[in-house]
Amino acid sequence: SQTIHQWPATLVQPVGSPLSLECTVEGTSNPNLYWYRQAAGRGLQLLFYSVGIGQISSEVPQNLSASRPQDRQFILSSKKLLLSDSGFYLCAWSVHRAYNSPLHFGNGTRLTVT
Amino acid sequence: DAKTTQPNSMESNEEEPVHLPCNHSTISGTDYIHWYRQLPSQGPEYVIHGLTSNVNNRMASLAIAEDRKSSTLILHRATLRDAAVYYCILRTRLVAGGTSYGKLTFGQGTILTVHP
Repeated sequence: SQTIHQWPATLVQPVGSPLSLECTVEGTSNPNLYWYRQAAGRGLQLLFYSVGIGQISSEVPQNLSASRPQDRQFILSSKKLLLSDSGFYLCAWSVHRAYNSPLHFGNGTRLTVT
Repeated sequence: DAKTTQPNSMESNEEEPVHLPCNHSTISGTDYIHWYRQLPSQGPEYVIHGLTSNVNNRMASLAIAEDRKSSTLILHRATLRDAAVYYCILRTRLVAGGTSYGKLTFGQGTILTVHP
C-alpha cells in the first residue's frame, strides 16, 4: 500500500532563518506531487505541483521554492522565512497520468515563524 | 478554476443521515466533483468523487443533479468521528510536461458538527 511521510510535524523558526520541509511517498512510482499551505481559516492553497523529477510548477509568487530530487521525494524550502510563511503545510500525491485520481495527503507540518 | 458554494456549517445528531449540499453552477463537462474532509490538525482525507452518475462507497454516497450544477454528499449514519470540515471541489484536467494532472482548489468547506 502507498504511504506518504512528512516531517517534521511541528517547527518553530525565527524570521530570516532557512526552511526545509521534506515529503516522501512509498509504494508507488512517478506520482504527481503537491505542496499546499493552510493559513488562518480553513482554505488550502496550492503552492507547487510536480509531474516528474525536476519538473516543478509554482501556483503563486512567494518566498518559497520546491524541488524534486528523486522520484518520490518532494522538498519545500525557503532561504529566509517571513512571518507570513507561518501555516500548516501539507504534501500530497496522486497517481501519475490519472488526472482524476484522488489526492492523498500527509499529516502536515505546522510552521510557526517568530 | 470552477468554484463551488457550500454552507459554512451544519449540525447533525449521531446515527442520523446527513446531507451536505454543494452548488457548482459553472462546472464544465470534464470536471469531476470531489469531496474531501479534514479533521483538526490533520491533512484532508479523500471521501468520494463522481462525474455524472450517483456514486457509493464505504464512506458515503454522492448524489449529482442531472444538470450537474449541484451535488449532495450523504453520510448515511453520522458518527462523532464524522465531525470535520467537508470540502466539495471540482477537479479540472490540466496538462504539464505532457502529463495530465488534476488540480484541486479548496474553498472554505462546511464545518459539520455531530451531536451525541
